[in-house]
Amino acid sequence: GAGVSQSPRYKVTKRGQDVALRCDPISGHVSLYWYRQALGQGPEFLTYFNYEAQQDKSGLPNDRFSAERPEGSISTLTIQRTEQRDSAMYRCASSFGTYNEQFFGPGTRLTVL
Amino acid sequence: AQRVTQPEKLLSVFKGAPVELKCNYSYSGSPELFWYVQYSRQRLQLLLRHISRESIKGFTADLNKGETSFHLKKPFAQEEDSAMYYCALGPSQGGSEKLVFGKGTKLTVNP
Repeated sequence: GAGVSQSPRYKVTKRGQDVALRCDPISGHVSLYWYRQALGQGPEFLTYFNYEAQQDKSGLPNDRFSAERPEGSISTLTIQRTEQRDSAMYRCASSFGTYNEQFFGPGTRLTVL
Repeated sequence: AQRVTQPEKLLSVFKGAPVELKCNYSYSGSPELFWYVQYSRQRLQLLLRHISRESIKGFTADLNKGETSFHLKKPFAQEEDSAMYYCALGPSQGGSEKLVFGKGTKLTVNP
């Protein structure tokens, strides 16, 4: 069956532009997570949803970052006015429930010039 | 605060040798520990979790609460074990839902 998909796989943008990263979870998965991974680091939690409700956004670094999951399925992570320090791999994961195994997507590699 | 430490960034062994990837954690509650693996050009995937007490691909990991460790071990490494390994903490019942990852250890198994 289809796993978690993310698009685009690669995104190059100029500083100051807005970007939207998309995550399509495994069908039927209730929970959806966003992580960010800088080079040489492990994934770092950003935010998480149960259905359409954003349960925890404590990992979002500042108010330029936002996420939504309006129909409880596809989620979009938006970064406004991108900065070079936003360059990283952005990973999405989904799980059947909060305490179940998280399945990861392939990630979106964001480069801000 | 929750924290996961993987002291080795790189680990290189020869095929057939034992391998141990170290992981220490900091958590005041009852922890749930995981090992995730990322093979070249593949996505991050769960290798094992301590509550299942399984051996996956010959790997085992024992939670030692006294030493706050969850080291990953395999008695005889294979070339196909070469990958990036991440130790992760949580989520646990009643605790935070997020996974807290270590920085990872790159394992290379030489022929």
